[in-house]
Amino acid sequence: DTEVTQTPKHLVMGMTNKKSLKCEQHMGHRAMYWYKQKAKKPPELMFVYSYEKLSINESVPSRFSPECPNSSLLNLHLHALQPEDSALYLCASSQDLTNHQPQHFGDGTRLSIL
Amino acid sequence: RKEVEQDPGPFNVPEGATVAFNCTYSNSASQSFFWYRQDCRKEPKLLMSVYSSGNEDGRFTAQLNRASQYISLLIRDSKLSDSATYLCVVNMGGRAGGTSYGKLTFGQGTILTVHP
Repeated sequence: DTEVTQTPKHLVMGMTNKKSLKCEQHMGHRAMYWYKQKAKKPPELMFVYSYEKLSINESVPSRFSPECPNSSLLNLHLHALQPEDSALYLCASSQDLTNHQPQHFGDGTRLSIL
Repeated sequence: RKEVEQDPGPFNVPEGATVAFNCTYSNSASQSFFWYRQDCRKEPKLLMSVYSSGNEDGRFTAQLNRASQYISLLIRDSKLSDSATYLCVVNMGGRAGGTSYGKLTFGQGTILTVHP
């Protein structure tokens, strides 16, 4: 079982809806990440948080809005998404941002935009 | 040239076979290296970190050649449950506060199917 928990597992939404993806870890990790993964492709980094501060934004459109309320939680707020945003959204965490730390992934939210 | 390159396969091998995957990376300043496996419609899971001296975990052996910027994964005595996509992952390094600090770069993945 993964130690990074994501909810919901599946989400179907219309282009005008607002929804949020949630991620939680209790490993004491201080770095958390959002990735997007399309079928048969590797994960693409979207955002990195370090000690609850946004560290990296990989030029993600503003219809995706991350939030880190505390060291255990990471949210991704969604608004006015496009059909091409349908993908698996993965959250990950690592002890911190130092370069030798592996990342541990949640099992993802499968998002479909109608 | 891609930052991390892998042979996409697919590799189809019988149970009990030995199979090797290769990966090259472009940035000589890369700091750390990992192999992840990903099952169909599941999340990537850390298989092993790769250390300069090479390391082994049961049937799995990882090697790193910094001079050639090359990483390998060897799987001995393949099992049906080894069927998955294997992702070569590199941390390119960088300084704290920089745009690549803590960032992992993924290869495209190598598909392995182990058949009876």
